[in-house]
Amino acid sequence: DTAVSQTPKYLVTQMGNDKSIKCEQNLGHDTMYWYKQDSKKFLKIMFSYNNKELIINETVPNRFSPKSPDKAHLNLHINSLELGDSAVYFCASSQGTGTSGPGTQYFGPGTRLLVL
Amino acid sequence: AQSVTQLDSQVPVFEEAPVELRCNYSSSVSVYLFWYVQYPNQGLQLLLKYLSGSTLVKGINGFEAEFNKSQTSFHLRKPSVHISDTAEYFCAVSGGTDKLIFGTGTRLQVFP
Repeated sequence: DTAVSQTPKYLVTQMGNDKSIKCEQNLGHDTMYWYKQDSKKFLKIMFSYNNKELIINETVPNRFSPKSPDKAHLNLHINSLELGDSAVYFCASSQGTGTSGPGTQYFGPGTRLLVL
Repeated sequence: AQSVTQLDSQVPVFEEAPVELRCNYSSSVSVYLFWYVQYPNQGLQLLLKYLSGSTLVKGINGFEAEFNKSQTSFHLRKPSVHISDTAEYFCAVSGGTDKLIFGTGTRLQVFP
């Protein structure tokens, strides 16, 4: 069974379109994340949710809107796509930070977004 | 605030040779350190982590890392690499929250 899954795996679209990426985890974790990896492999956190509540919201354009219908799902909606949005988007989940420190984050396979 | 520096963007090495991937961090608070591996076209997978206790941490696939507080380093080592270790390796730091700050990655290329 896949622990963290994302759909779609590939997404090619035109500038100005709106698109969504879905993420689901079956690990029973409370915390989920979205990361962006650019063409130079640099990985940066965008958002994190804990039990459907937004915890981390980095300086991301407000065209990006995460939505967590329940703690097993965290979707990412992107409005008015721009060329610079082309990247690989990773979803991750963890048990969150406890008394012994941050929990291990488990990553999905990634969604490769190409904006033309 | 925390930051991570991975000093080598690429490390070429022959199969069965030892390897060290370097990672230095800065933090104004206690640190928790991680090494992740990313195989081509895949997500990241945890190799090992330092939360507390012994400064020598052993991980999967024969990797280990040593937390050195005085040198603010967390270098990753493997005594004998295999072709299948070819991948991108990321060092990451947390100041005690869920927010991980990643380094820019080191591409390990193992040659036969």
